Amino acid sequence: EAGVAQSPRYKIIEKRQSVAFWCNPISGHATLYWYQQILGQGPKLLIQFQNNGVVDDSQLPKDRFSAERLKGVDSTLKIQPAKLEDSAVYLCASSLGLAGGLTDTQYFGPGTRLTVL
Amino acid sequence: AQSVTQLGSHVSVSEGALVLLRCNYSSSVPPYLFWYVQYPNQGLQLLLKYTSAATLVKGINGFEAEFKKSETSFHLTKPSAHMSDAAEYFCAVSALSGSARQLTFGSGTQLTVLP
Repeated sequence: EAGVAQSPRYKIIEKRQSVAFWCNPISGHATLYWYQQILGQGPKLLIQFQNNGVVDDSQLPKDRFSAERLKGVDSTLKIQPAKLEDSAVYLCASSLGLAGGLTDTQYFGPGTRLTVL
Repeated sequence: AQSVTQLGSHVSVSEGALVLLRCNYSSSVPPYLFWYVQYPNQGLQLLLKYTSAATLVKGINGFEAEFKKSETSFHLTKPSAHMSDAAEYFCAVSALSGSARQLTFGSGTQLTVLP
């Protein structure tokens, strides 16, 4: 079974520019997550979708970050405008069950490493 | 709020030695706990998870973890380290935030295996 796909793998931009990341979850997985992993830290949840609806975006900096999951499959995460502190790895994950599944395994993609200069 | 604390950001062991990575949790309700491994330039991979079925949980690659409620711990062990075990390890706790499940990660432990 194919895993979670993400692109691009690496991105370098200047501050105040915009950037977008793409994620294709495992086929059939209802829930999709975006995480931000700053160097030396654990991943931090940004936003969670169940099918094509947002179930938790409480930690998403909405003044500059946006995300969508069209048709309940692929998802994009956008940053506009980027700041230096946005330099991090952005991880996408998916899980089979619905958003409230406490024991569901999350399957992670390889991540996109963003450097903001 | 539930959280996990990983003691020791870096651990070094010799090949063939015991691996012990520490994780303590803080939770007002019975927790669901996970260990993930992250190899360089890769995403996180599940090693094992505690779902209250058994206190000793066996995972992939010879790893296991024991849930100890009295010590609020979920330490990860492997009897004999292999060079391929060198990676970063994350402990995480799963909890509901509103109607959504949140996975909260510790800050990670970098494991180095010495020849």
